Parts: sequence; structure tokens; C-alpha cells
Amino acid sequence: KAGVTQTPRYLIKTRGQQVTLSCSPISGHRSVSWYQQTPGQGLQFLFEYFSETQRNKGNFPGRFSGRQFSNSRSEMNVSTLELGDSALYLCASTEPGRAVPLHFGNGTRLTVT
Amino acid sequence: DQQVKQNSPSLSVQEGRISILNCDYTNSMFDYFLWYKKYPAEGPTFLISISSIKDKNEDGRFTVFLNKSAKHLSLHIVPSQPGDSAVYFCAASLPGGTSYGKLTFGQGTILTVHP
Repeated sequence: KAGVTQTPRYLIKTRGQQVTLSCSPISGHRSVSWYQQTPGQGLQFLFEYFSETQRNKGNFPGRFSGRQFSNSRSEMNVSTLELGDSALYLCASTEPGRAVPLHFGNGTRLTVT
Repeated sequence: DQQVKQNSPSLSVQEGRISILNCDYTNSMFDYFLWYKKYPAEGPTFLISISSIKDKNEDGRFTVFLNKSAKHLSLHIVPSQPGDSAVYFCAASLPGGTSYGKLTFGQGTILTVHP
């Protein structure tokens, strides 16, 4: 079984731009979560989607948004990028019957200049 | 407000010896705890978990202990191997519908196992 796939692996953007990151969960997993990892704040929960609906949300500004498609693939979008948005963005998928994820992708490294 | 804390940023251990990684939490509502291992440029890899109704869970070389009264958990790796060198994160979740997808992570402990 393929793992959680995130694209792209690396991105460089300029302040003020927007960015879209993509995640394909493990086949059969309908729940997708997003996390941000920075040196200062560590790993922080952004949001979770299940069956195209956001069920849970962390404490991030509205510039961070996401969506999920009918095939469970998910995207997250960050608008009006700030330098502090530079981070590793991780996607995780949760198997049916569980509430929290065990499987993470390798992340997208976003650098904002 | 850091609800999950790993107070040791790093740990160095000799190959074959025991590695003990510690984690403290402040929210007594957490009911499920997990340990992940992370290599650079990769996502976290799940190692082992424990429910709050248990005080110990074992899987091969990995054992997790939970002390609810002290709000403390630890991961024991016996015997330690050089391939275990990585960053270890403990994480916790709340019960029921409040927890969908949400893990609260500690800051991580860098484990180095010397040959």
C-alpha cells in the first residue's frame, strides 16, 4: 500500500503570495489532517477533514484554509504569505475506526522570502 | 500553554543499553498517548501508543509506561541500536469528537545511539 503522498516536496514563495499544497492519503483512509512544524512552535495541528467536511480546526489565522475532495485527496492553501509561514507542512491520514492519525507524509518544506 | 512537554532536548546512549525518553503533560483530559520517531526530511513514523486505561504497553524493543497520577509517560528502548538515532516526539489526544485528527505534540528529544 502506498503511504501518504505530499506534493511538492519543496516550495519557495515571496511574501504576499499564496500557496497550495497537496496531499493524497493512504487508500481507504477518509480522514486527512494537516500540521505545521517550525523550530519555535514545534508540531501544531492546523485542521482535519473527513468526507469533504472540516471537522476540527487548530488555532491558526483564516489565511490558512483547506479542502478535501470526494476521492479523499486534500489541499491546503495559505494566502498572503508571511515570513513566519516558513515551515514544514505535514499531512497525515487516519484509518477508519481511529480518531487520530498514525501515518504521516514526508511533508512540504515551504520557504517564504 | 504547552500541554505536552519533553524536557530533555537530547539524549545520548551507548549501543545495547537502554534509552529512556520522558514526557509530561498537563491536561488530565488526554486519554490516548503516542510516540513517533522522525528522521530529517521525513514525516513522523508511529512507534507505539497507550490508552489511559493502561499503564504499560510493549511492542518488541519498545515499551511505553504511563503514570496518570504524575501525568508522565516514558518510552523505553531496549536494546538501543544506532538506527534508533532520530528525534522522538510524544503526542496526546483528547477523547471523542474533540480529537478528530488532532494530536498535541511535545517539542521532541534527539536520541543519539553510539556504536
